Amino acid sequence: GAVVSQHPSWVICKSGTSVKIECRSLDFQATTMFWYRQFPKQSLMLMATSNEGSKATYEQGVEKDKFLINHASLTLSTLTVTSAHPEDSSFYICSATTSGVTDTQYFGPGTRLTVL
Amino acid sequence: EDQVTQSPEALRLQEGESSSLNCSYTVSGLRGLFWYRQDPGKGPEFLFTLYSAGEEKEKERLKATLTKKESFLHITAPKPEDSATYLCAANQAGTALIFGKGTTLSVSS
Repeated sequence: GAVVSQHPSWVICKSGTSVKIECRSLDFQATTMFWYRQFPKQSLMLMATSNEGSKATYEQGVEKDKFLINHASLTLSTLTVTSAHPEDSSFYICSATTSGVTDTQYFGPGTRLTVL
Repeated sequence: EDQVTQSPEALRLQEGESSSLNCSYTVSGLRGLFWYRQDPGKGPEFLFTLYSAGEEKEKERLKATLTKKESFLHITAPKPEDSATYLCAANQAGTALIFGKGTTLSVSS
């Protein structure tokens, strides 16, 4: 149980284009989903927290107009990187919980984004 | 400032050589202490959640314990497949997880 999927697992795009990453909870309803990014040999950095049907809460320093998050249902959240640039290249990981920010988070397998 | 510190950063063990990983936290009003395993290029895999001092949880060769200031992840008779980065995270009520930087474990046969 508690399986989270992400799609795509990797993506390469040209600078200036937008990329959408999907995060799905496969066998449970996720009231809260999180988006992280991870640079090589670094720990996870929280980007934003989203609850189904409401606007995401972004961490300090994360541009909400650049990283658009939509949590349209209890099983799906999407992260859109708009006008991507090479410095946005990173490993993006989502996680989901069943009952809020303090519950155990189950992580997706991650999406490797490379911006040329 | 709330913080989670893991040590050592890297640990090399021979197969069968038991050891412990440390996670120190300065989080007031701890709600939960979490351990995850992360393999290269993959998302973290949930291992344990500990909620109160004195609590212990086991899974195969892994055992996690919690005190008021730190948590330990004991690895008994590790195998090469236990090689991974182990992440510790903590949170307070109503806040998101605070992650440590992880301990990278390498087990050689």
